[in-house]
Amino acid sequence: GENVEQHPSTLSVQEGDSAVIKCTYSDSASNYFPWYKQELGKRPQLIIDIRSNVGEKKDQRIAVTLNKTAKHFSLHITETQPEDSAVYFCAAREGMRFGAGTRLTVKP
Amino acid sequence: KAGVTQTPRYLIKTRGQQVTLSCSPISGHRSVSWYQQTPGQGLQFLFEYFSETQRNKGNFPGRFSGRQFSNSRSEMNVSTLELGDSALYLCASSLVGNEKLFFGSGTQLSVL
Repeated sequence: GENVEQHPSTLSVQEGDSAVIKCTYSDSASNYFPWYKQELGKRPQLIIDIRSNVGEKKDQRIAVTLNKTAKHFSLHITETQPEDSAVYFCAAREGMRFGAGTRLTVKP
Repeated sequence: KAGVTQTPRYLIKTRGQQVTLSCSPISGHRSVSWYQQTPGQGLQFLFEYFSETQRNKGNFPGRFSGRQFSNSRSEMNVSTLELGDSALYLCASSLVGNEKLFFGSGTQLSVL
């Protein structure tokens, strides 16, 4: 099955700085790469996703990049705000394996 | 449209017992997947069902099983409960499987 590794496990940034979270996957057949945000006590929610035929996708302050050759994809958050503080999970289809999560803390 | 509904919200069981958790997907969604979440362990994939067939399975022992009904509702069963099974069990649904997941609120299982 798919193996997804996510780094770092914790990330602390100052408000306004950028944050980058990286994931690698093992199954070259994977073709869908979503990112989920889970705030404390809440359910995970999709924040952005990318398919294997696209190299980059942006949505306001959030962007995801995909390098199929290297089998890695990254989440970029610019101009971070305290409300960005949460646990972020990457995932790779097939089978929807998730990375271990990154706890992002944005300090005001 | 109603979201993903999981019942019960909380469960307390003792070691050796069995438990059944229920998940009702969003209307029209045919894929349901299950995850175990424990502090510091992220989201561990249990299994995925699509049109009543198990399409994928994670690395959990055979004590963990599931099924999906013709109306897409899904149940997950854990037999011979162990202390380590204490966790939040989340289910998620999607239209056909390879796309956006909508998560339920989860069932918090405590094994004493």
